[in-house]
Amino acid sequence: DTAVSQTPKYLVTQMGNDKSIKCEQNLGHDTMYWYKQDSKKFLKIMFSYNNKELIINETVPNRFSPKSPDKAHLNLHINSLELGDSAVYFCASSQASGRIYEQYFGPGTRLTVT
Amino acid sequence: AQTVTQSQPEMSVQEAETVTLSCTYDTSESDYYLFWYKQPPSRQMILVIRQEAYKQQNATENRFSVNFQKAAKSFSLKISDSQLGDAAMYFCARRGGATNKLIFGTGTLLAVQP
Repeated sequence: DTAVSQTPKYLVTQMGNDKSIKCEQNLGHDTMYWYKQDSKKFLKIMFSYNNKELIINETVPNRFSPKSPDKAHLNLHINSLELGDSAVYFCASSQASGRIYEQYFGPGTRLTVT
Repeated sequence: AQTVTQSQPEMSVQEAETVTLSCTYDTSESDYYLFWYKQPPSRQMILVIRQEAYKQQNATENRFSVNFQKAAKSFSLKISDSQLGDAAMYFCARRGGATNKLIFGTGTLLAVQP
């Protein structure tokens, strides 16, 4: 049983293209996140949705557009890809209430822009 | 700034020995959560241990324990009886306020020598 899944795991594309990464969680959590891990392994929050509502948008270029069709899914669409977008993108989920805040991560999507 | 600092970019330990990874953080909150995540070469982010700031008792999970010094804003991870499978990048993280985002340190790469 995969708790948080992402597709695809690897994505190689050319500059200027548009691509999407999908995320699904079956943990019954109400909050989902996107993190970016750069080439130096630094992890930084990009977006967060709680019950399909955007609650965090950390000064990410508007070429990045998250979409949450329901509580269990959070997709990330990237327009006009640039070389600097190459990174590993992690989806995560957690429960926002009940004082249990640990986040569970998906396997990551390694995006390479050439 | 609300930061998390890991001052040891790399550490090495002999199999079966004990190693301690350091982490300090900055926060103006009185109630917060701290976490250690492990990222092996598979890149999966795995939760190792968590600490609630309002609890004085240090958290333990089998061979993993923390030394939480709230006044000093220090949260170190001790790994006892190190195993080859413990080799990974370890990230310290703090829950960032009501938005629940995780603020990560820069990571410590742990090598385990046989």
